[in-house]
Amino acid sequence: GQQVMQIPQYQHVQEGEDFTTYCNSSTTLSNIQWYKQRPGGHPVFLIQLVKSGEVKKQKRLTFQFGEAKKNSSLHITATQTTDVGTYFCAGPVTSYDKVIFGPGTSLSVIP
Amino acid sequence: NAGVTQTPKFQVLKTGQSMTLQCAQDMNHNSMYWYRQDPGMGLRLIYYSASEGTTDKGEVPNGYNVSRLNKREFSLRLESAAPSQTSVYFCASSQAAYEQYFGPGTRLTVT
Repeated sequence: GQQVMQIPQYQHVQEGEDFTTYCNSSTTLSNIQWYKQRPGGHPVFLIQLVKSGEVKKQKRLTFQFGEAKKNSSLHITATQTTDVGTYFCAGPVTSYDKVIFGPGTSLSVIP
Repeated sequence: NAGVTQTPKFQVLKTGQSMTLQCAQDMNHNSMYWYRQDPGMGLRLIYYSASEGTTDKGEVPNGYNVSRLNKREFSLRLESAAPSQTSVYFCASSQAAYEQYFGPGTRLTVT
């Protein structure tokens, strides 16, 4: 079945350093979604990418969707303590299929 | 506009007891999902419903049943709770397989 993997599992950075997490799917995805979950909270939607090769930015966050629509990345420039949490990628094979989540990357930011 | 609501927020069960977790959304979404999240783990799909009247198994359906009561409500039932079902349960909804909105979660402990 469809599998979604993420690396790294954990990342500890000094405040101000950059951070990147990578997402890989075993199958081509219809879209890729990114979520952030703060400790003790629920996942919150960040962004969705649909097109092959698409790049989107949200302030210090840059999201990319691979050309083959099987991988994606999230890059945070100059991390802040507010970036702490677990970042999940997720995606369906088709627009009407179930959405499978990756295991997440847990980010710690040291002040 | 409450988004996705879940009840109860916390629950303690004894092994063998049954219970139903309730979820409702007011965003007129077609798709609804039930996930479980174990400590330090990602989100694992239990069941999902692509539309009213349909339900499908996810990655970890054993020990659970679901009912899509109407477009708004999607309940998860544990017929005979086991300690392995101790987890945080999240309900989510979306329009097709696009961005998902999560409820606050139910923290379930089975002793």
